Amino acid sequence: ETGVTQTPRHLVMGMTNKKSLKCEQHLGHNAMYWYKQSAKKPLELMFVYSLEERVENNSVPSRFSPECPNSSHLFLHLHTLQPEDSALYLCASSQDPGQSAEAFFGQGTRLTVV
Amino acid sequence: AQSVTQLGSHVSVSEGALVLLRCNYSSSVPPYLFWYVQYPNQGLQLLLKYTSAATLVKGINGFEAEFKKSETSFHLTKPSAHMSDAAEYFCAVSPSWGAGSYQLTFGKGTKLSVIP
Repeated sequence: ETGVTQTPRHLVMGMTNKKSLKCEQHLGHNAMYWYKQSAKKPLELMFVYSLEERVENNSVPSRFSPECPNSSHLFLHLHTLQPEDSALYLCASSQDPGQSAEAFFGQGTRLTVV
Repeated sequence: AQSVTQLGSHVSVSEGALVLLRCNYSSSVPPYLFWYVQYPNQGLQLLLKYTSAATLVKGINGFEAEFKKSETSFHLTKPSAHMSDAAEYFCAVSPSWGAGSYQLTFGKGTKLSVIP
């Protein structure tokens, strides 16, 4: 148990579906992150939230829409995805979005777009 | 700008042998450096980090890494491999100051296999 919980663990969706990924952290952290992990590619930072405000959007397509209703919860809303969006989506949190802050990762959601 | 290169996408060692996983980085400002481990079907777990104090950093599970500025390297070592060390290892870098200091840039990972 890392203190960061992601649901669902696995998701299969069609290209016309709308779904959401959920992340919850029980660590009292102020910063939360979404990463994408694709096969044979480095982890890609998608979004960063600090105290519920988005501080980074790494040129992510608009078919990915994050939401941070409070400092403990982070969502990633998905719509009209493409097969190349299939990947492991990892949520992480840290005490603050500053230097050397240790990021704690959830177990990820394995997304398959068909 | 920063980047990480991990040499070898797959490394195999015998149980009890030395583990050496290589990481080279580039960074326009003094970096902070990290090693993470990912077990199958799990998220990433921090092994150790360098934040400009001692250049030899000790982490969990008997791993350590040495920051060598002249070689822009941060290689991960363990004197004696255990079967439970089989996992994928990721090196990451972030700027120690300035804009984007929360930006962790990861390498592509090295999968470690331990042979009985």
